[in-house]
Amino acid sequence: SQQGEEDPQALSIQEGENATMNCSYKTSINNLQWYRQNSGRGLVHLILIRSNEREKHSGRLRVTLDTSKKSSSLLITASRAADTASYFCATDQAGTALIFGKGTTLSVSS
Amino acid sequence: KAGVTQTPRYLIKTRGQQVTLSCSPISGHRSVSWYQQTPGQGLQFLFEYFSETQRNKGNFPGRFSGRQFSNSRSEMNVSTLELGDSALYLCASSLVAPNYNEQFFGPGTRLTVL
Repeated sequence: SQQGEEDPQALSIQEGENATMNCSYKTSINNLQWYRQNSGRGLVHLILIRSNEREKHSGRLRVTLDTSKKSSSLLITASRAADTASYFCATDQAGTALIFGKGTTLSVSS
Repeated sequence: KAGVTQTPRYLIKTRGQQVTLSCSPISGHRSVSWYQQTPGQGLQFLFEYFSETQRNKGNFPGRFSGRQFSNSRSEMNVSTLELGDSALYLCASSLVAPNYNEQFFGPGTRLTVL
């Protein structure tokens, strides 16, 4: 079964607004990653947060991790049309493999 | 550095045939992972190779196989193709392990099975 489950499945916002996506998982993890995919192309790594970290920033991205709730959130501030994409969280199992959720499709309109 | 390359980019096959997809990782990366992406199932992990050894395997039938060469290049093979195998197949490489290092994805191979 897939480890990460994103919520919401789809999100539509206006340029300049903030977008928040959530990810929940079922078993303990070492790390959690967020990736972006533009329309049927390869994924691009956004950020990696380790299980002993609670929050991480990268540019307009802010990721939080709550291991007690087995959840993570990705916040994109001041969204742009170019942020339109699908966003996936990925978690590791006991081994090194990454398991992806089904993603949140973000649409940013100008 | 050149990115992850996958060949071919598009492929059309018929049921029962077999197919081989190729992936060249970023130079210096030793871990290569393969994923199948479909609209219904999303991104599903197929397998991961490190130093020519399969380190992890997803929940796919034995028709799906792969290998990694000494130069870290990887191939995956699907035998006896079924209609449901139509998907975007993505390859990703990472320095040592996909869960500890970021993965770099190739553009994918779009496989259509008729």
